[in-house]
Amino acid sequence: DAGVTQSPTHLIKTRGQQVTLRCSPKSGHDTVSWYQQALGQGPQFIFQYYEEEERQRGNFPDRFSGHQFPNYSSELNVNALLLGDSALYLCASSSTGLAGGYEQYFGPGTRLTVT
Amino acid sequence: GQSLEQPSEVTAVEGAIVQINCTYQTSGFYGLSWYQQHDGGAPTFLSYNALDGLEETGRFSSFLSRSDSYGYLLLQELQMKDSASYFCARLSNSGYALNFGKGTSLLVTP
Repeated sequence: DAGVTQSPTHLIKTRGQQVTLRCSPKSGHDTVSWYQQALGQGPQFIFQYYEEEERQRGNFPDRFSGHQFPNYSSELNVNALLLGDSALYLCASSSTGLAGGYEQYFGPGTRLTVT
Repeated sequence: GQSLEQPSEVTAVEGAIVQINCTYQTSGFYGLSWYQQHDGGAPTFLSYNALDGLEETGRFSSFLSRSDSYGYLLLQELQMKDSASYFCARLSNSGYALNFGKGTSLLVTP
């Protein structure tokens, strides 16, 4: 049973560019959340997708957008990259409903470096 | 508010017991989760407390006191592989997002 997978593993971009990160949830999960983790900090919630809709959004600018596909996989897009966007981007999947929200399965993350 | 406070670093000896504390603000509280993250790895779920009391899972236990807005993770029989960062986290008011503390870096020494 495959867990959460993310691609790519590492990415280097230049300030002002755009990036797309991808995530496949754990088998049987229908909800995907994205988190940004800066070095030495806890993950910060970006947004969550369920039934191909953004269900909740954290305190991130509109430069951060996403999508969920019918097979529950998801993409995170970041436009107009800033140096401060350099971080580990984590995808987490879970099952529908409040009870599943506290236990989320995280992927290995994509390390984004903006130069 | 949704903030959580936990110590930044803890050091303990192999075979010992260590407790990592977490305090939180009470608005819209659903429960407290604990996650472990090794350097370069993904956070992995350890435990969840929705009600007051102790939850035990092998060498790890987690405790919650809602009246005190406080919880802790207890690690027993420490092993070198337990060296990692430990995060307490709570569900947002919507019940969807996890809000994480800044994490506690645990170093287990021989």
